[in-house]
Amino acid sequence: DTEVTQTPKHLVMGMTNKKSLKCEQHMGHRAMYWYKQKAKKPPELMFVYSYEKLSINESVPSRFSPECPNSSLLNLHLHALQPEDSALYLCASSPLADTGELFFGEGSRLTVL
Amino acid sequence: RKEVEQDPGPFNVPEGATVAFNCTYSNSASQSFFWYRQDCRKEPKLLMSVYSSGNEDGRFTAQLNRASQYISLLIRDSKLSDSATYLCVVPRGGSQGNLIFGKGTKLSVKP
Repeated sequence: DTEVTQTPKHLVMGMTNKKSLKCEQHMGHRAMYWYKQKAKKPPELMFVYSYEKLSINESVPSRFSPECPNSSLLNLHLHALQPEDSALYLCASSPLADTGELFFGEGSRLTVL
Repeated sequence: RKEVEQDPGPFNVPEGATVAFNCTYSNSASQSFFWYRQDCRKEPKLLMSVYSSGNEDGRFTAQLNRASQYISLLIRDSKLSDSATYLCVVPRGGSQGNLIFGKGTKLSVKP
């Protein structure tokens, strides 16, 4: 079982909805990540938080808004999404941001109608 | 050269076979490399880290060739459960937090 927990596992939303994806880890890791993965494609980095501060934003559209309330939690707020935003959204954590050894959650599968 | 490039496969092999995948990378300054496996509709999971010339863990061996800028993953005595997509991962521009995932190599082990 993964030690990174993501909710919800599945989400269907309309283009005018506001929703949030949540991620939690209790491994004491200080870096947390959001990745987006489309079918048959590799994960693409969206955001990196290091010590609860946003350290990397890979030019993600503003309709995706990350939030890190504390060292264990990471949210991704969604607003006015497009159908092409439908994908698997993966949260990951690592002890520090200077490692490539990530622990992924099972992902939130998002469908935008 | 692309930042990270992998042979997409699929590699179809019988149980017990030895199979090897290669991954080439463009950033000669990269110091560490990673292999992840991803099962269908599941999350990626770290398989091996490579910080020097290579690493071995049971049936799995990863080797690094800095001169030619590639890393390889060798799987011996393949099991049905090894069927998955294997992702080569390299930090971008020396920034460990910013990882580039290769497109993955699909392995299918048949009975």
